Amino acid sequence: NAGVMQNPRHLVRRRGQEARLRCSPMKGHSHVYWYRQLPEEGLKFMVYLQKENIIDESGMPKERFSAEFPKEGPSILRIQQVVRGDSAAYFCASSPSSARYGDTQYFGPGTRLTVL
Amino acid sequence: GENVEQHPSTLSVQEGDSAVIKCTYSDSASNYFPWYKQELGKRPQLIIDIRSNVGEKKDQRIAVTLNKTAKHFSLHITETQPEDSAVYFCAARGSNTGKLIFGQGTTLQVKP
Repeated sequence: NAGVMQNPRHLVRRRGQEARLRCSPMKGHSHVYWYRQLPEEGLKFMVYLQKENIIDESGMPKERFSAEFPKEGPSILRIQQVVRGDSAAYFCASSPSSARYGDTQYFGPGTRLTVL
Repeated sequence: GENVEQHPSTLSVQEGDSAVIKCTYSDSASNYFPWYKQELGKRPQLIIDIRSNVGEKKDQRIAVTLNKTAKHFSLHITETQPEDSAVYFCAARGSNTGKLIFGQGTTLQVKP
């Protein structure tokens, strides 16, 4: 049973370029969460999605950042016109659909974004 | 707003000793409290969790206690081993939201 998958694992972008981060949840999971971890800091919630719906985007910057979780395919976190402050590790987590086990979030390996 | 405070930020113990990490949360509606272990450059891994209808939970050398009245919860690791060295994060989840609010992390060093 494959875990949460993220790609790419490392991404280098120049200022002003776009970054696209992908997350495939565990099999049977329909809830996806994105978190950002700055160097030597904790994890900060960004956005919570279910299939085709954004449930909570309270942690996502209003500009340049967007997320989606289409009916088919992985969840995508998109950062437009990246700046050096966007350099961080971006982790995706997924949880089961069942209400009983819906709390437990399993993390992917992360995408480490470096903005030059 | 929602907040989780975690202490200490660093903890150094001798192999075989116990380690305790404490967290407090602000949202009284929080009902789920997981602990994650993160090794350098790796993903956070769930090591134990507790729900608000339980006061204590144990899994081998790891235990978590929850005091809802005081809004704090603690991680206890007994008989520590060098492989326990990592950063540990506590988190709290509100009853009406899926998001986890994380503490700042504790860097645990177990000296052989």
